[in-house]
Amino acid sequence: KAGVTQTPRYLIKTRGQQVTLSCSPISGHRSVSWYQQTPGQGLQFLFEYFSETQRNKGNFPGRFSGRQFSNSRSEMNVSTLELGDSALYLCASSWGGDAQGTDTQYFGPGTRLTVL
Amino acid sequence: KNQVEQSPQSLIILEGKNCTLQCNYTVSPFSNLRWYKQDTGRGPVSLTIMTFSENTKSNGRYTATLDADTKQSSLHITASQLSDSASYICVVSGDTGRRALTFGSGTRLQVQP
Repeated sequence: KAGVTQTPRYLIKTRGQQVTLSCSPISGHRSVSWYQQTPGQGLQFLFEYFSETQRNKGNFPGRFSGRQFSNSRSEMNVSTLELGDSALYLCASSWGGDAQGTDTQYFGPGTRLTVL
Repeated sequence: KNQVEQSPQSLIILEGKNCTLQCNYTVSPFSNLRWYKQDTGRGPVSLTIMTFSENTKSNGRYTATLDADTKQSSLHITASQLSDSASYICVVSGDTGRRALTFGSGTRLQVQP
């Protein structure tokens, strides 16, 4: 069974640009969550999508948005990039039937975004 | 404010030795606590998950304990191997889904030959 895949693996952008990251979940998983990981803040929850609907949202500004397609693949978009957006962006998939989020999440390798 | 504190921040041990990592939390209400292992350059991998009623959970050489009264958890690694070198992250979940996740900053473990 293929794991969670994320593309691209590495990305370099400049301030003010926008970026779109992609995540393909494990086959059969309907929940996709996105996380930001930085050395200073550690792991932080961005949002979760389930059956094409945003089910949970963390405390990030509106510049961070996402969507999920009918095949459960998800994209995350960051507009007007800032230097502080440099981070490892991880996506995780799970079967998602538990709205409390107790099901096991499987993480992808992440996309390393560098904003210059 | 919900917080998860892990100690030590980093740890170096010799191969074959045991070690224990600590996690203290102030998250309330509490739903579950997970331990993740994250190798450098890779996404986290779930090791254990414990709910309020569970006080011990094992996964091979990894054993997690939970004391919901004192809000403390520990992860014990037995007979360490070089492949155990990684960051170990404690994550506590409230009762309102993933938006209630609070992450610890992790313990960086290095196992030396």
